Amino acid sequence: EAGVTQFPSHSVIEKGQTVTLRCDPISGHDNLYWYRRVMGKEIKFLLHFVKESKQDESGMPNNRFLAERTGGTYSTLKVQPAELEDSGVYFCASSQVTPTSERLSEQFFGPGTRLTVL
Amino acid sequence: DAKTTQPTSMDCAEGRAANLPCNHSTISGNEYVYWYRQIHSQGPQYIIHGLKNNETNEMASLIITEDRKSSTLILPHATLRDTAVYYCIAAGNNRKLIWGLGTSLAVNP
Repeated sequence: EAGVTQFPSHSVIEKGQTVTLRCDPISGHDNLYWYRRVMGKEIKFLLHFVKESKQDESGMPNNRFLAERTGGTYSTLKVQPAELEDSGVYFCASSQVTPTSERLSEQFFGPGTRLTVL
Repeated sequence: DAKTTQPTSMDCAEGRAANLPCNHSTISGNEYVYWYRQIHSQGPQYIIHGLKNNETNEMASLIITEDRKSSTLILPHATLRDTAVYYCIAAGNNRKLIWGLGTSLAVNP
């Protein structure tokens, strides 16, 4: 079974440019999460999709960030325009939706996209 | 979500058990204790989880105190490949994970 994949693995852009990150979750996983690690800091939650719906977007830093998950399969995270402080590693994770607390849905992570804004 | 506290770093000799502690004194009744690890430059990897009872899988054992305010992750026979940052997280099912800085475990030959 294929794991969570992310594309690209690295991206170097200049301040003011636009970048789009892609995440392909594990097949059948309705939960999809985006996280980010800025250098030297903790991993921070950005948002959570259940299928195509945004369940929780409380971690999105500002309106320069736009996440989509059309059709409830893969997701994209667009940063427009990118700023220096957006540099970091962006992780995507997916999990199955479990209706009860008796069966836990652990999150499976992709390898991350390392974004560098110059 | 509950805040967890972990030691910043630990050392362990190869082949020995590594015992990583975690305090989660404000954990609520419906929150699980999750353990993840991140090996350098890779995505976080799920290790184990528990609610009330002790748990064991092929990777590790999780010991949760009766009051659920703390737990210990046990790697029974640590190898060099277990060198990583280990994260203890308290969170509800199907919910976001709130990360701390974790424990940097160095397994020494």
